[in-house]
Amino acid sequence: RKEVEQDPGPFNVPEGATVAFNCTYSNSASQSFFWYRQDCRKEPKLLMSVYSSGNEDGRFTAQLNRASQYISLLIRDSKLSDSATYLCVVKRGGSEKLVFGKGTKLTVNP
Amino acid sequence: EAGVTQFPSHSVIEKGQTVTLRCDPISGHDNLYWYRRVMGKEIKFLLHFVKESKQDESGMPNNRFLAERTGGTYSTLKVQPAELEDSGVYFCASSRAGIIYEQYFGPGTRLTVT
Repeated sequence: RKEVEQDPGPFNVPEGATVAFNCTYSNSASQSFFWYRQDCRKEPKLLMSVYSSGNEDGRFTAQLNRASQYISLLIRDSKLSDSATYLCVVKRGGSEKLVFGKGTKLTVNP
Repeated sequence: EAGVTQFPSHSVIEKGQTVTLRCDPISGHDNLYWYRRVMGKEIKFLLHFVKESKQDESGMPNNRFLAERTGGTYSTLKVQPAELEDSGVYFCASSRAGIIYEQYFGPGTRLTVT
């Protein structure tokens, strides 16, 4: 079993739609959680960290449920520029290595 | 502030040859990481330097891979001899000292072994 599992996708949505990505992690020692964004043939870039209390950054909302070992990302009012692959990433306590999910590809259509 | 740079951007080599990838981290970043994505798989950690010391090399696949960071600045990752399964995108990342800091990724080196 992979340490980080994500919706396989791809997701194709119209502009303005709301889309949700889900992710589960298997290692209970995971302490830090992130969503990264990767454009085609580019490097991953940090989109947002995920906190237990949930956090919001504009149209993006991230949630963490430690009991279920579940992470989510909600994008409201999708824009064409949101088209990318979204990577769920965790970091174990005491380690700095990032553990990546395979990613979910999102295409926002006009 | 200049970002993480990697060289070359692409490399095509034959099985059995040697390739050396280079990474220049963001100035002042003590932490340097190598990751790899092979086709169809997730990005996987290879190793982590703190300055010139290897902090964690648990992700290195085998002894055909050698990473160095002399002087604690740039890093090289040598693959010798290359095998077909080494093909993929090799990313370097760097961060400031301290576990809370974001890792910034370079654009990657796309390695194709034929």
